[in-house]
Order: sequence, then C-alpha cells, then structure tokens
Amino acid sequence: EVQLVESGGGVVRPGGSLRLSCAASGFKFDNHGMNWVRQAPGKGLEWVSGISWNGGTIGYADSVKGRFTISRDNAKKSLYLQVNSLRAEDTALYYCVRDVSYIAFDIWGQGTMVTVSS
Amino acid sequence: QSALTQPASVSGSPGQSITISCTGTSSDVGYYNYVSWYQQHPGKAPKLVIYDVSNRPSGVSTRFSGSKSGNTASLTISSLQGEDEADYYCSSYTTSSTLGVFGTGTKVTVL
Repeated sequence: EVQLVESGGGVVRPGGSLRLSCAASGFKFDNHGMNWVRQAPGKGLEWVSGISWNGGTIGYADSVKGRFTISRDNAKKSLYLQVNSLRAEDTALYYCVRDVSYIAFDIWGQGTMVTVSS
Repeated sequence: QSALTQPASVSGSPGQSITISCTGTSSDVGYYNYVSWYQQHPGKAPKLVIYDVSNRPSGVSTRFSGSKSGNTASLTISSLQGEDEADYYCSSYTTSSTLGVFGTGTKVTVL
C-alpha cells in the first residue's frame, strides 16, 4: 500500500523548533519530488516547501523562507522539515505529499499537528 | 507569491454542471500547464482530481474536467451529485523560487 506517515508535531512556544518527519512506503521514493503542505484550523491549504527527487531543486513559501529547511534521505525513504523560529501563525496541520507532476500531489499523509502557543 | 484567486462559494442543483475559476498571473497559471485541482471533505485530507490542467488521475470520475485560458484555469463538475459537496482548491507551479502556490479555496454546495 502506498503510504505517507508524518510524525514530530507537537505544542511549542513561540521561537521554538521542531523536526517533522515523513516515512514513505509502497512506492519508489527516489522517483518522486516531495513537498510539505499545511492547513491552519478552519483555513485553506498553503504550500510550504518542496524538494526534487535528488534534492537538487528546493523551494520555500515566502512565509517560511529562512526559518524552515526541507531535506530528504532516499536510503531511508524519508522526508524532513526542520521548523525554527516558530510563530503563532505557523500553527497548522502539516501534510507530507508526493508529486505526480509539478505541484500536483497525488498521495497525502494524515498530517502532523504543530501548535505554537505560549 | 500571492494565493491564486477562487470564488468563495459555488452552488448548484443535482444533475447540473458548475464551474470553479482559478485566477493567477503570467508567472504561474498563465506560464505553465501545471495547474491541479483538489477536493477536500470536512476532516479529510485533500484528494487530487485534476493535474496538468486537464488530466484525471486513475479512479477519478469523468464528471470532473479541467481547462485553462490565459491566466485563468477552470474546474467543471458535470451531473452534480451530493457527494461533490466539498471544498475545492487549485494549485499551480510558479516561475518564482517558491515553486508552488494554492488557490484561496471554493466551497461547493449541492442544493
């Protein structure tokens, strides 16, 4: 079964850090670009960051640039998002998603919740 | 990079067709044929229904179709059914270093 499973979310104070992880299974991980998409409670979808199959192309939303870092380990079939200098507006459900084409996400994880609160 | 613009809500009766627009710029929707559409039911993860403007993933109903003209892409749902009531989002690849952007989202109501 093709599956993405996120972990690493939690409650953190403003200015804090977390490392989100995504474990892939059921498909050839290094054939696909991977991305993180987030959704604040009751709000719409926001693309956060993406990385090509070999890590050669990386992009970030302006709202997270300089604070978040995406990476991948193809040997471990895993995607990561290091989130630093967290703000209240970063509170959201973070989805790990697989590219089927450019910014076309055919497989979604269940999400990991990040809550930034003092 | 600003979000793509979608109408907040669209409604239709069962059996009718509806169209949702997604307006961007010449740096995203208008530049590439890389527009996708997602359906999201409450409490669920989004589901891809159209990619690369007009391609349907395997298993998606043929009632869903996509098109693009200039800086505006469109999703048409024909023969509207109750199960189509959901939120719909478009997304596009962009020329900027940010790579991707979503639309503002549209709530579809089946009357």
